[in-house]
Amino acid sequence: ELKVEQNPLFLSMQEGKNYTIYCNYSTTSDRLYWYRQDPGKSLESLFVLLSNGAVKQEGRLMASLDTKARLSTLHITAAVHDLSATYFCAVVLDRGSTLGRLYFGRGTQLTVWP
Amino acid sequence: GAGVSQSPSNKVTEKGKDVELRCDPISGHTALYWYRQRLGQGLEFLIYFQGNSAPDKSGLPSDRFSAERTGESVSTLTIQRTQQEDSAVYLCASRRDRGLSGKLFFGSGTQLSVL
Repeated sequence: ELKVEQNPLFLSMQEGKNYTIYCNYSTTSDRLYWYRQDPGKSLESLFVLLSNGAVKQEGRLMASLDTKARLSTLHITAAVHDLSATYFCAVVLDRGSTLGRLYFGRGTQLTVWP
Repeated sequence: GAGVSQSPSNKVTEKGKDVELRCDPISGHTALYWYRQRLGQGLEFLIYFQGNSAPDKSGLPSDRFSAERTGESVSTLTIQRTQQEDSAVYLCASRRDRGLSGKLFFGSGTQLSVL
């Protein structure tokens, strides 16, 4: 079974600082998603990464995928309070008996303080 | 509709009762997922429907759990003889394509509380 590990699980950072969240996964896959979840809310799609070397950016967030290393990163630049949320990565298996199933990491709870 | 719709948004039930949760996916979306999220935890896969293919039921935690979907429309998740450990938010998500490359859209979830 595919395992997805995120770290850190908890991140407290000051406004204006930069930081990176890491997502490692255990089985070959070319498809990785990042989601944001605000407290009491559902998940909002942030990025879909579909190939090795894919990089996507929106605002202060940038996501990348290295399929050879089985690693994705979510980089936060000059953090602001509005980015406080829980961030999940999810990997989809595109082959085998569990084709199409998404495996989620445990999430990184980000708190940005003034 | 404009998004994935789930009902009810909240359900409080007594231990031992059956509950039925409903998910209306986005029109035209062939893939539909059910996930469970316990308080402060990540998402636990339950079941995945893709068009008219046989569903991937391997995430259902016990035979008290079952789910149905007719074609590419509404899905219902049924939990029989509910237990307190079933308390969680049950999330439904849908995706348009068969190629696994599209965004997955989540509903707002059903908060299930078993007393």
